[in-house]
Amino acid sequence: SQELEQSPQSLIVQEGKNLTINCTSSKTLYGLYWYKQKYGEGLIFLMMLQKGGEEKSHEKITAKLDEKKQQSSLHITASQPSHAGIYLCGAEYAGNMLTFGGGTRLMVKP
Amino acid sequence: EPEVTQTPSHQVTQMGQEVILRCVPISNHLYFYWYRQILGQKVEFLVSFYNNEISEKSEIFDDQFSVERPDGSNFTLKIRSTKLEDSAMYFCASRRDRGQHNEQFFGPGTRLTVL
Repeated sequence: SQELEQSPQSLIVQEGKNLTINCTSSKTLYGLYWYKQKYGEGLIFLMMLQKGGEEKSHEKITAKLDEKKQQSSLHITASQPSHAGIYLCGAEYAGNMLTFGGGTRLMVKP
Repeated sequence: EPEVTQTPSHQVTQMGQEVILRCVPISNHLYFYWYRQILGQKVEFLVSFYNNEISEKSEIFDDQFSVERPDGSNFTLKIRSTKLEDSAMYFCASRRDRGQHNEQFFGPGTRLTVL
């Protein structure tokens, strides 16, 4: 089984709708990162969560960390075409590196 | 705002040739990383570097790979004899320190194509 599972793999939403992406770890998390990637481009840092129950927001994007479930959710409110892209979660375990999920491809229909 | 930069943005090479991918991490950062992403696949960790030595490496990072910080600003990844399966996007990342509020920032990547 995969260490870090993201769901859904892809998502198409109408502009203005809310959406949630989940990231579940099979191991204890030290930290959980969210990045956005446009196809073929670099990873743009969104948020980093470390403490159980921690919640961070940036503009219309909110991320939460549920330590008991070893799960993080990324919620976008009132989605816009500019939110389209691939959202990646990255987990920090005992080591210094990040282990990434498979990504969620988001399309926002105008 | 400071950012990680990488050169070249694209590199095409023949199988068996050596390539060097270059990165300039954010200036006050102490930890440096290379990751790769084969087209359509996950981003995978290759190696981390701290205090002028490799701190961790993955199974992918075999004897064909090496990293170096030749001066105070550049961080390079060398592939000695490229294989077709080395074709991927290579990302450099840097981090000021470990622990809370020390995020890993990624560069824009170098797309390597091995023919």
